Amino acid sequence: AQSVAQPEDQVNVAEGNPLTVKCTYSVSGNPYLFWYVQYPNRGLQFLLKYITGDNLVKGSYGFEAEFNKSQTSFHLKKPSALVSDSALYFCAVRDRSYNTDKLIFGTGTRLQVFP
Amino acid sequence: EAQVTQNPRYLITVTGKKLTVTCSQNMNHEYMSWYRQDPGLGLRQIYYSMNVEVTDKGDVPEGYKVSRKEKRNFPLILESPSPNQTSLYFCASSLTDSTDTQYFGPGTRLTVL
Repeated sequence: AQSVAQPEDQVNVAEGNPLTVKCTYSVSGNPYLFWYVQYPNRGLQFLLKYITGDNLVKGSYGFEAEFNKSQTSFHLKKPSALVSDSALYFCAVRDRSYNTDKLIFGTGTRLQVFP
Repeated sequence: EAQVTQNPRYLITVTGKKLTVTCSQNMNHEYMSWYRQDPGLGLRQIYYSMNVEVTDKGDVPEGYKVSRKEKRNFPLILESPSPNQTSLYFCASSLTDSTDTQYFGPGTRLTVL
């Protein structure tokens, strides 16, 4: 079965420092990978996705993610964190097994950026 | 304004009392889905719909029903709610399928006593 794993429940970063939120995946076939962000008391918002092409994907709010096929990873990165980046981040993978079209989300990583 | 709306936003009910959570989108999207969010479990897909009259189970469909009679609406029905269905529910829609950007509603917090 397709799955994603977010190994860290929480990531703490000082403002201005680079941040990384980790995601690994397990899929059969070519992966379709996504990152979404959830701010407090809000629904999720799309950040970026990898379908095919360049392994470095750029998204909203200065975020980017690197697709690494050999390590089956899709880590989210930002060169300089802002306090306003503090939120809950979800990695997701498309599941097309058994003729379905589902999204499988990870358990989420809470990012805390300290001033 | 392009949006996904859900009603109600908050609901407290009792075991066994049928309820419906409505979801509506104004973007003419074909793909719609329902998720529940629980601490430590992330988001889990309950049901999704590829278009009118086309629905399919997600990963946790037990205890839920859906219908898609119109393109814009995708209600979630709990025929006989139980306490383990206490959760935060999100509706989402996208243009054609799961690879398109999902637009999420604001969420419905359901408590079943």
